[in-house]
Amino acid sequence: GAVVSQHPSWVICKSGTSVKIECRSLDFQATTMFWYRQFPKQSLMLMATSNEGSKATYEQGVEKDKFLINHASLTLSTLTVTSAHPEDSSFYICSARKSLNTEAFFGQGTRLTVV
Amino acid sequence: EDQVTQSPEALRLQEGESSSLNCSYTVSGLRGLFWYRQDPGKGPEFLFTLYSAGEEKEKERLKATLTKKESFLHITAPKPEDSATYLCAVQAPSNTGKLIFGQGTTLQVKP
Repeated sequence: GAVVSQHPSWVICKSGTSVKIECRSLDFQATTMFWYRQFPKQSLMLMATSNEGSKATYEQGVEKDKFLINHASLTLSTLTVTSAHPEDSSFYICSARKSLNTEAFFGQGTRLTVV
Repeated sequence: EDQVTQSPEALRLQEGESSSLNCSYTVSGLRGLFWYRQDPGKGPEFLFTLYSAGEEKEKERLKATLTKKESFLHITAPKPEDSATYLCAVQAPSNTGKLIFGQGTTLQVKP
């Protein structure tokens, strides 16, 4: 299967600071990537769809100014959590698809803890 | 409304005790159903894609099947290392590539 690499695997930051999470498709080009948030013992909640070269599409209820998404190339998308607060602590996961009709491959996830 | 429901929520099996996980879906025009395995603290790992009713896919002790309303993930003679959460997802009807996930089934296989 295809490989999607997410970095960092975990991060601890102070309240009020910003954190950037990277998602890379290592062996294929992904025009579309997806960012999810997962709470303990719950399923994945889609936050936004990231399209290369254009603005991300955010799901209802997701703050665009807090969760900045950039998809600068066909292999890299970034999620920046701005002015992080403890309630932003969560497990964030990205995914990428070779095309819109094929399976999605997921990164290993990033555990964010805001203190 | 497009929806995916998985059952049971949790399943405990003894090693070697075969069983099935269910994924029921309601979506207008299925464009793909996907099964994933997720271990604690990790991202989902792709298992299978099914596109049409009657289709079956197998991998080691796992076999996925699809009907017009549901999919089953059959686990034959499971081992403790099969313990994980199994997620089912369907392709959303819109041409955005979004997946609609079920809540998952957490499987525990005891030796």
